[in-house]
Amino acid sequence: EDQVTQSPEALRLQEGESSSLNCSYTVSGLRGLFWYRQDPGKGPEFLFTLYSAGEEKEKERLKATLTKKESFLHITAPKPEDSATYLCAVINSGGGADGLTFGKGTHLIIQP
Amino acid sequence: DAGVIQSPRHEVTEMGQEVTLRCKPISGHNSLFWYRQTMMRGLELLIYFNNNVPIDDSGMPEDRFSAKMPNASFSTLKIQPSEPRDSAVYFCASERDMNTEAFFGQGTRLTVV
Repeated sequence: EDQVTQSPEALRLQEGESSSLNCSYTVSGLRGLFWYRQDPGKGPEFLFTLYSAGEEKEKERLKATLTKKESFLHITAPKPEDSATYLCAVINSGGGADGLTFGKGTHLIIQP
Repeated sequence: DAGVIQSPRHEVTEMGQEVTLRCKPISGHNSLFWYRQTMMRGLELLIYFNNNVPIDDSGMPEDRFSAKMPNASFSTLKIQPSEPRDSAVYFCASERDMNTEAFFGQGTRLTVV
């Protein structure tokens, strides 16, 4: 069974204080790893897709990286508007459902 | 494009009543997914369609849940009869092709009392 574990569950940072969020996954074959951002009362919003170990993608203050066992979402010099829940999800290439298997997310708070 | 549109945004119903949630995917997207989100279990896949055909409904919790996609622009998720443990936020998402980025609707918050 696919498993996605995110840590920490919650993280409070000061504005400008860089940090990383972790996503560990267990799948029989990784077809893709996705990062989403979710604001309160809204649906998840797509950020990145990573397909193979060593791949990196960046968007503004966010950078996502991927290894064979985990992914990191690095946030550099965050601003209060980066406060949200960040969700990691995988799609397994080993058969079964083609939908996303999500972790429970990291609730990030950036204090001014 | 207006994105994925779900209705209603909020639904409060009594136990035993039938509930129907609606979804309009993004035009041109071939895959549609229904997810459920709770504090305890996070986001879980219920069922998905490809080209209007149900592909995998193994995530549907019980026979009380059913989903249809009569055409490329409309899908419903029905719960009959509803129970308090069905209370959750239900999301619909669509993808242009399988395994590409999913676009989510705003969700329907269902409360069964």
